Amino acid sequence: EIVMTQSPATVSVSPGEGATLSCRASQNINNNLAWYQQKPGQAPRLLIFGASSRATGIPAGFSGSGSGTEFSLTISSLQSEDFAVYYCQQYEEWPPSFGGGTKVAIK
Amino acid sequence: EVQLVESGGALVQPGGSLRLSCAASGLSFSSYGMSWVRQAPGKGPEWVSSISGSGGMTHQSDSVKGRFTISRDNSKNTVYLQMNSLRVEDTALYFCAKAPYEDSHFYMDVWGTGTTVTVSS
Repeated sequence: EIVMTQSPATVSVSPGEGATLSCRASQNINNNLAWYQQKPGQAPRLLIFGASSRATGIPAGFSGSGSGTEFSLTISSLQSEDFAVYYCQQYEEWPPSFGGGTKVAIK
Repeated sequence: EVQLVESGGALVQPGGSLRLSCAASGLSFSSYGMSWVRQAPGKGPEWVSSISGSGGMTHQSDSVKGRFTISRDNSKNTVYLQMNSLRVEDTALYFCAKAPYEDSHFYMDVWGTGTTVTVSS
């Protein structure tokens, strides 16, 4: 099973500032990586697929990069609605696996 | 707009059974793979099981293999999760999620709001 490791566990950011979240795979997953945003009491929401393609309706302020084993999600200027938990997920191999999440908190 | 609505969650004793349902609307249902993903309180999502659009291919996580069965009825636009021999550690919010293609082995582009399964004596 491919293990996904996210860092940091929590990042505190002031509104208007940017943030970069990291995700590492235990083996090569090419670009078969998705990012999700989850707010309290809600389902995860797809942000990025294919490591760098934004899902429908996702603002340009969200961008993904990376390939192989190292990936990142960048939020260019945090708005109030962006404070949430972010998960990465690999779909290179069965079983699909999620990272432990990064909480983006208000500073 | 694609919508997924889960139902069937409940409080059940260890060793018991439940069947979850997920009703889909706003899509050509048989064209898309579907998955169940669960999330224990305070934890990250955990993939449980997936099924292809035709229903011909299924996958289960090792943690539920032999106990949970995924199926679908394309005439009813519904996917099911039959859960047997439930354990305390199966307690979670169970989400139904849609794949972007007929093959379920992808990311999940639409999620339901979830149904809660609590396994406790």
